Amino acid sequence: DQQVKQNSPSLSVQEGRISILNCDYTNSMFDYFLWYKKYPAEGPTFLISISSIKDKNEDGRFTVFLNKSAKHLSLHIVPSQPGDSAVYFCAGTSNDYKLSFGAGTTVTVRA
Amino acid sequence: DTEVTQTPKHLVMGMTNKKSLKCEQHMGHRAMYWYKQKAKKPPELMFVYSYEKLSINESVPSRFSPECPNSSLLNLHLHALQPEDSALYLCASSQTTDTQYFGPGTRLTVL
Repeated sequence: DQQVKQNSPSLSVQEGRISILNCDYTNSMFDYFLWYKKYPAEGPTFLISISSIKDKNEDGRFTVFLNKSAKHLSLHIVPSQPGDSAVYFCAGTSNDYKLSFGAGTTVTVRA
Repeated sequence: DTEVTQTPKHLVMGMTNKKSLKCEQHMGHRAMYWYKQKAKKPPELMFVYSYEKLSINESVPSRFSPECPNSSLLNLHLHALQPEDSALYLCASSQTTDTQYFGPGTRLTVL
């Protein structure tokens, strides 16, 4: 049973524009959400997180929005840069040491 | 500093070999994790150690044997693996139950 879904397997965006990645979840017990970025053959790198008591968290070019009623979160990257080309995983947790990951979205930033 | 180190970077082993993967963190994190990741898939949790005690085993076959010698080190002992066990093995650590920081991984090939 997949508790976190990333329905867009890929996203192509022009350099300098906004990248918007979406994530939906089904487990209402999740109270913390994270985004990770992964390059091929490397470990995931933590990007940004958000607690369920907030609806927005910002860190530099990265902003995560949480809509609890819709069980939806999104990651905005502005402006997109070539180094942002990677696979992005969304994850949710109910603070039990377990992260439920989505399937990932591959972002390609075009010059 | 959020660095988790893993050795070796690459490992090739036969089905009758015994080998070990090593992971180290010096962030004072209280929890350490082993994950397995296949290509184009999200990481799958294998084991969780909390305060040097095994707290979660996700029904992993006994040919994988974890060990936590101290709060900074985590090992994964491998014996009699199958070719389908070939994957990227990731170590992670966390201070609390939410944000996990991943190492670069060990690329394991079982012949």
